Amino acid sequence: ETGVTQTPRHLVMGMTNKKSLKCEQHLGHNAMYWYKQSAKKPLELMFVYNFKEQTENNSVPSRFSPECPNSSHLFLHLHTLQPEDSALYLCASSRGQGAGPETQYFGPGTRLLVL
Amino acid sequence: DQQVKQNSPSLSVQEGRISILNCDYTNSMFDYFLWYKKYPAEGPTFLISISSIKDKNEDGRFTVFLNKSAKHLSLHIVPSQPGDSAVYFCAASPRNAGNMLTFGGGTRLMVKP
Repeated sequence: ETGVTQTPRHLVMGMTNKKSLKCEQHLGHNAMYWYKQSAKKPLELMFVYNFKEQTENNSVPSRFSPECPNSSHLFLHLHTLQPEDSALYLCASSRGQGAGPETQYFGPGTRLLVL
Repeated sequence: DQQVKQNSPSLSVQEGRISILNCDYTNSMFDYFLWYKKYPAEGPTFLISISSIKDKNEDGRFTVFLNKSAKHLSLHIVPSQPGDSAVYFCAASPRNAGNMLTFGGGTRLMVKP
């Protein structure tokens, strides 16, 4: 397995369900990210982890809960979501060298539908 | 208010011709710019980047131009190929937070055979 992988690729859930999205990177990177892409809107950064520590929470509602157990894995736990949370959720990783410019590499995304 | 804008939602070009995709930004702190390409059902793929110390970066058929005074960048694809048909996103990050990317809304490029 190479690059950044995400599972599941598609997910349908009810508003009372609890589910988790998984991301794994095989690039030896130290920074990982969650993005949300809603229809007709730009990618929105949700969370940033550097060396397993959360360094950014972009005003994301608490019904989204990230977890980063190590530098290679990132989870997004979902509970009591709303239909407007239906979107493509993308994971990305980068080297995590500090404040300098970085190129991020993306996974294929999880297409989420909340009913 | 969007800090990175791609004002053309779509662009259609004949195979073999030049494709020019444009991007404007408002934040003067941005100093690193990237272009990504996205096919349906796939994540964005990194294409090319440019630092604010340069005004041009070239990689094969792809060239990115940066005009800092106009806060404008463009991606040129020459010659365009049908396989280039995808959605193209520009993104930017500030000098003090290189991992904080702000994306534009994307431009759908269609290259006709």
